[in-house]
Amino acid sequence: DIQMTQSPSSLSASVGDRVTITCQASQDISNYLNWYQQKPGKAPKLLIYDASNLETGVPSRFSGSGSGTDFTFTINSLQPEDIATYYCQQYDNLPPVFGPGTKVDIK
Amino acid sequence: QVQLQESGPGLVKPSQTLSLTCTVSGGSISSGSYYWSWIRQPAGKGLEWIGRIYTSGSTNYNPSLKSRVTISVDTSKNQFSLKLSSVTAADTAVYYCARAFSGWYYDYWGQGTLVTVSS
Repeated sequence: DIQMTQSPSSLSASVGDRVTITCQASQDISNYLNWYQQKPGKAPKLLIYDASNLETGVPSRFSGSGSGTDFTFTINSLQPEDIATYYCQQYDNLPPVFGPGTKVDIK
Repeated sequence: QVQLQESGPGLVKPSQTLSLTCTVSGGSISSGSYYWSWIRQPAGKGLEWIGRIYTSGSTNYNPSLKSRVTISVDTSKNQFSLKLSSVTAADTAVYYCARAFSGWYYDYWGQGTLVTVSS
């Protein structure tokens, strides 16, 4: 299986800050990467697909970039409702693997 | 609006078979290029993909669970199901059903159901 790592595992930032999360794959996965947001007690929600495409209805402060093995997820201007855990997920091949998650909270 | 809802026992004894059903509403399970999937999450941990089924009946399973997993679909009831045999405490988790658009983008999820394995 392809292994996915994320950093940091958690972070604390102020409202309005720019937040950046990185995700690294153990091998080249081209742009076959999604990002999800999971709030406590809720199912994950798809935010970004194909590494950089914003899912319909998702606020434009969320963005993604990268290809190959290194990917970045950014929240421009962190909002209180963005408190959640964020997961990357590769789908270059089966099985799809999720990263370990990055927990984001407000300072 | 597509909705998914998991159902099944919340408590399963060790060595028995875990059985869950996902009911899809707001759209036909047979339409479109969708795979119907199961994903689980132990408390406080990350997400683990269990497997998926296409409406043709074609399945893919996580190799780590393949010997114990069966996913099936009942298009007449707009449902798909998960069976996981020989469960242990390590199988205790919240189990989600989800729709995978084009096989890979999990765009609709159920609310999740907690299954505890305990005697």
